[in-house]
This record gives sequence, structure tokens and C-alpha cells, in this order.
Amino acid sequence: ETGVTQTPRHLVMGMTNKKSLKCEQHLGHNAMYWYKQSAKKPLELMFVYNFKEQTENNSVPSRFSPECPNSSHLFLHLHTLQPEDSALYLCASSQDSRDTQYFGPGTRLTVL
Amino acid sequence: AQSVTQLGSHVSVSEGALVLLRCNYSSSVPPYLFWYVQYPNQGLQLLLKYTSAATLVKGINGFEAEFKKSETSFHLTKPSAHMSDAAEYFCAVSDRRGYGGSQGNLIFGKGTKLSVKP
Repeated sequence: ETGVTQTPRHLVMGMTNKKSLKCEQHLGHNAMYWYKQSAKKPLELMFVYNFKEQTENNSVPSRFSPECPNSSHLFLHLHTLQPEDSALYLCASSQDSRDTQYFGPGTRLTVL
Repeated sequence: AQSVTQLGSHVSVSEGALVLLRCNYSSSVPPYLFWYVQYPNQGLQLLLKYTSAATLVKGINGFEAEFKKSETSFHLTKPSAHMSDAAEYFCAVSDRRGYGGSQGNLIFGKGTKLSVKP
């Protein structure tokens, strides 16, 4: 497996569910990112991790909880989401926080 | 603060015609600029990037972009469109200030959907 992978590719959940999104990068990068892509809105940066330390939280609601156990893995834990949280969630990685970002295919999340 | 404006949410061209996707940026520091492409049900793929070297940047799939500081523009062009170019294109700017914190984060435009007619 190469590049940036994300699982699951599609997820449907109710507002009371707890689920997690997983991202794995096989590029030896040190920085990882979560983005939200909603219809008719620009990509929104949610979180940045650099060498496993969170360096950016872009005013994201606490119902989204990131976890970065090592430089290759990034999780996004979801709890009591709202229908407006339905979107494509993209993970990206880069060699460091200034370098080119490489994106995964995304997880299409639908909150009922 | 940085920002990116992509003119035209939808652009339609005929196969073989010139592709021109417009991007204007605002940045208080010399920027890095990027074009990404997103095919249906896929993530973003880097087409090309400008990092203060040559102002004319060549990317993959025959695309190129020219950095024009006086016009604060970074328009994407391709001389001859192919059906496989149909996708959504995103322009992005980075302030590339340094390591850690919020430096170097990407600010994306809203995207332009390119349709290619046979």
C-alpha cells in the first residue's frame, strides 16, 4: 500500500453514535492534517499534527476529537454529530508543515 | 490574512480547446501557490506548485501556471483539453512562514469544476 489511505470510504451514522475515521500514510512524513470538504464551501482545515503534536485546532467543535499515536497514523473520533457535519473528510500528510501536502481519497460521512 | 479567489465555479470547454482556470490570491508575505485536482470520489492530487523559483511552472498532465506578482494571479492553463481533464480544480496559497504552529497551512479557493465537451 502506498500514499495516504483512509478508512472507511463511506460512513453513515446517527447523531448518537460514536465512530472513528482512520488515516494512514506510507510516505515517511512527519505532518498530518484533517480537512472537511462540504458542498459549496472551500476546504476547511480542522487539525494539524507535526511530529505527533497537535499544532493547529481551527476552532473545531469538541464533538470531533483527533488522535495521532505516531507519525504514520491519524484518527478522527466522532461523537454526537449533527446533520450539518455530513461532508467529505480528507486526510493529508507532508514531510513537514511547510512542504507539499498529499491527500487521501477521503471518507464520505453522512449523519442522519 | 491570506485568501484565494477562483473566478468561475464552472468552466466548460470543448475537447482540444484551451483551458484557462483563474486564481487570484491575497498574501501579506511572499506566498507558495498550488493547484490541486480532484476527480470524482477521490482525494486531491497535486498538479503543480510555485515556490519562488521560475514564475512559469509546469505540472503534470500538460498543465502549467504562471505567477504574476503585479496581478496577484496564478492562473492554470492547458493548450488542449482532453476528456480526462474533467474534474474539480482547487487553487491554494500557503504563507510558508516556518515550522510548527499555523505556519505553512494551505488556504484553498472554492474550486472550479471543469467540463469537457466532445
